[in-house]
Amino acid sequence: QVVLTQSPSASASLGASVKLTCTLSSGHTNYAIAWLQQQPETGPRYLMKLNSDGSHSKGDGIPARFSGSTSGADRYLTISSLQSEDEADYYCQTWGSGLVVFGGGTKLTVL
Amino acid sequence: QVQLVESGGGVVQPGGSLRVSCTASGFTFSSYGMLWVRQAPGEGLKWVAVIRPDGSNEDYAESVKGRFTISRDNSNNTLYLQMNGLSVEDTAVYYCARAFWSSGWFGDSWGQGTLVTVSS
Repeated sequence: QVVLTQSPSASASLGASVKLTCTLSSGHTNYAIAWLQQQPETGPRYLMKLNSDGSHSKGDGIPARFSGSTSGADRYLTISSLQSEDEADYYCQTWGSGLVVFGGGTKLTVL
Repeated sequence: QVQLVESGGGVVQPGGSLRVSCTASGFTFSSYGMLWVRQAPGEGLKWVAVIRPDGSNEDYAESVKGRFTISRDNSNNTLYLQMNGLSVEDTAVYYCARAFWSSGWFGDSWGQGTLVTVSS
């Protein structure tokens, strides 16, 4: 069964860039994932689907500051020109063997 | 615009049952798969169940298999989750999500959730 691994926390300064990582388990390194953002006390928001070749398709209204990239088993979410409202939890999600799987989430703090 | 509104949450005793609903609008409900995902207090997102657009097939997380049933009414744009044999570990906010198929199910629109508390 596929497992998604995320660092529990990350931080970056206002106006800077940050790169979050979601790592696919061995044997599943060609899987696509989706990135989700969850601000406090709200439901998740779909950011994009990121394929193994690095191509991605963003959700409606997602700013260009959010981009995705791939390297091997790693799927990245880069947020540039950080704003205070980017402080949130970020989850990756995939599908494998009939199951929907989530990473543990990364809590992003904007300093 | 796409809107998903969950309802039906509340407090239920261990061993009890509850049905939560998700009313959809702003898109062709019968063309999309639908997910239920839950989030325990202070925890991350956990998948519960998925149902195909025509309701012909469902899949469940191992932790709820045999206790929970996902269903849908495409004529009324409504998704359901029937929860039986509830335990304190089922306490969570329950979210519904619209899902598209692209070599897997991916949730691309989410509701605000409904809180289910299992407590004596």
